[in-house]
Amino acid sequence: RKEVEQDPGPFNVPEGATVAFNCTYSNSASQSFFWYRQDCRKEPKLLMSVYSSGNEDGRFTAQLNRASQYISLLIRDSKLSDSATYLCVVNTRGYGQNFVFGPGTRLSVLP
Amino acid sequence: SQTIHQWPATLVQPVGSPLSLECTVEGTSNPNLYWYRQAAGRGLQLLFYSVGIGQISSEVPQNLSASRPQDRQFILSSKKLLLSDSGFYLCAWSVTGIAGNTIYFGEGSWLTVV
Repeated sequence: RKEVEQDPGPFNVPEGATVAFNCTYSNSASQSFFWYRQDCRKEPKLLMSVYSSGNEDGRFTAQLNRASQYISLLIRDSKLSDSATYLCVVNTRGYGQNFVFGPGTRLSVLP
Repeated sequence: SQTIHQWPATLVQPVGSPLSLECTVEGTSNPNLYWYRQAAGRGLQLLFYSVGIGQISSEVPQNLSASRPQDRQFILSSKKLLLSDSGFYLCAWSVTGIAGNTIYFGEGSWLTVV
């Protein structure tokens, strides 16, 4: 089983749609959780951290369920500029701080 | 504020040639430093990480090596490149206890081995 798994995608949605990304992780000792965004041929950039109580940043909402070892990202009112690959990232604190990246889910928002 | 610089941005190298990619971080001290590789259409693969000068941990056996000669400098090298070394190489940094231990990436280096 992979340490971090995500929806295989790609997701093709019309502008204005709501889209949800799912992620599961296998290490119950994981301590920190993030969503990153990666544009084509660019480096990954932090989108938002994910907190146990859930958190929201504008059109983006992240949720964490530690019992189920599940993370989600919801994008409301999607824009063309949201088209990218979304990476789920889990940090299992240890020597050198181990960040484990999911394979990513590609999103294309269509006009 | 912290910044990370990585170079060169792109390079095309023949099989068997050497490689040197360099990365520097500014605005922070004693960062954790990382080298990742991303093959076309694939996820990120951790190659090396370092918690301090001269301290390198390798995650996968390969013909690549890493060095950290200074606190904020991280170098990825190879003596003889293979075709399978082609990919997108990313340097990254993190600092324990800051911003939720977030990891930040340089702009990446595209390597094509021909």
